[in-house]
Amino acid sequence: QLQLQESGPGLVKPSETLSLTCTVSGASISSSSYYWGWIRQPPGKGLEWIGNIYHSGSTYYNPSLKSRVTISVDTSKNQFSLTLRSVTAADTAVYYCARPAAGTPALFDYWGQGTLVTVSS
Amino acid sequence: DIQMTQSPSSLSASVGDRVTITCRASQGISNSLAWYQLKPGRAPKLLLYAASRLESGVPSRFSGSGSGTDYTLTISSLQPEDFAAYYCQHYYSTPPYTFGQGTKLEIK
Repeated sequence: QLQLQESGPGLVKPSETLSLTCTVSGASISSSSYYWGWIRQPPGKGLEWIGNIYHSGSTYYNPSLKSRVTISVDTSKNQFSLTLRSVTAADTAVYYCARPAAGTPALFDYWGQGTLVTVSS
Repeated sequence: DIQMTQSPSSLSASVGDRVTITCRASQGISNSLAWYQLKPGRAPKLLLYAASRLESGVPSRFSGSGSGTDYTLTISSLQPEDFAAYYCQHYYSTPPYTFGQGTKLEIK
């Protein structure tokens, strides 16, 4: 059974960099035909797709965040990561990692439980 | 970008009620529409995909319909565990893959 678990600091200062890792168990992150993605939900607001990375390493980002986001994969650790630079209070959110169904870029059938990241000094 | 407009934003209902949530895309999405259930502290759950296909393990009281730009999620007989937030999302063509604003389903 595929499982995803987010980890990282729960508090980040304004203007600094948010870094989260998603550890994948039950499947190899380098398996072909799969993307791996990040989604977030600010408090009291809706879900926002952040971006995806394909098993080949190709990345796709939400244009609204593209200038500040990097998603990368570490196949040796079976993990993928999110880096968000120059954060503000508006980046406070629950961050989810997720995997879309095979062959689809954003039909997310497996999700982590999410981790709350607060941006505050 | 494709915008997803979901309504209502909140809904009060009783156990046993039939409820419907709607989602409208700003352009046709060829049934590339998913519905998710969110509960606090838990991993979001995929309920339906391709507008009307039930994800494995999801109870049959959940159903979806629609085409083109207009889609609906129906819960035929609400159960206590169904009180949650629901989101539609398109996964059509190119990103960004936007979600609706969400519907909070509360007990009346």
